[in-house]
Amino acid sequence: EVRLVESGGGLVRPGGSLRLSCVVSGFDLNKFSMNWVRQAPGKGPEWVSFISRNSDYIDVAESVKGRFTISRDNAKSSVYLEMNSLTGEDTAVYYCARDPWGGGAGFDLWGQGTLVTVSS
Amino acid sequence: YAFAQPPSVSVSPGEMARITCSGDALPTQYVYWYQQRPGQAPVLLISKDTERASGIPERFSGSTSGTTVTLTINGVLAEDEAEYYCQSGDGRGHHYVFGTGTQVTVL
Repeated sequence: EVRLVESGGGLVRPGGSLRLSCVVSGFDLNKFSMNWVRQAPGKGPEWVSFISRNSDYIDVAESVKGRFTISRDNAKSSVYLEMNSLTGEDTAVYYCARDPWGGGAGFDLWGQGTLVTVSS
Repeated sequence: YAFAQPPSVSVSPGEMARITCSGDALPTQYVYWYQQRPGQAPVLLISKDTERASGIPERFSGSTSGTTVTLTINGVLAEDEAEYYCQSGDGRGHHYVFGTGTQVTVL
């Protein structure tokens, strides 16, 4: 079965940090570019960050630039999102999502999401 | 920036539902459609304007006309009640831009 499983979310204070993980199974991560997409409560999805198959190209949304860093370890079938200087506006469910079209297209597979709550 | 979608569409079971997504860049960008039920992750319905994703029922279809793309649900079922989002590029280097979302209510 093809799956993406996120973890690492939780309650964090403003200014704090979190590291999210996404472990994939059922397919070869080496062959796919990956993304993080978030969804604030009651809002639509918002793309956060992209990483190419071999990490040679990374893109980050303006709203998180300089604070969030995406990375991957294909040998561990994992994608990560390091989040620093968190604010209340970062409160959201964070999804790992696969783009099978090489990047800049859409998402054919999503994880179940992990909730990040930024609050004092 | 987000592509414009109607906030809500109401339809009776068995009828047709049409959800539009509008944006100036859409004639030059592929559009993807997602269904999201409450508490669940989005699910890809349509890729590249008109291609139904694997396992998606034939009652879901996509079409384009200029700056507007449309998701059509033929013969709506109660299980189709959900939020629907379009997603595309804005033609200015931003590739993963979502629409404002449409809540489909099955009466």
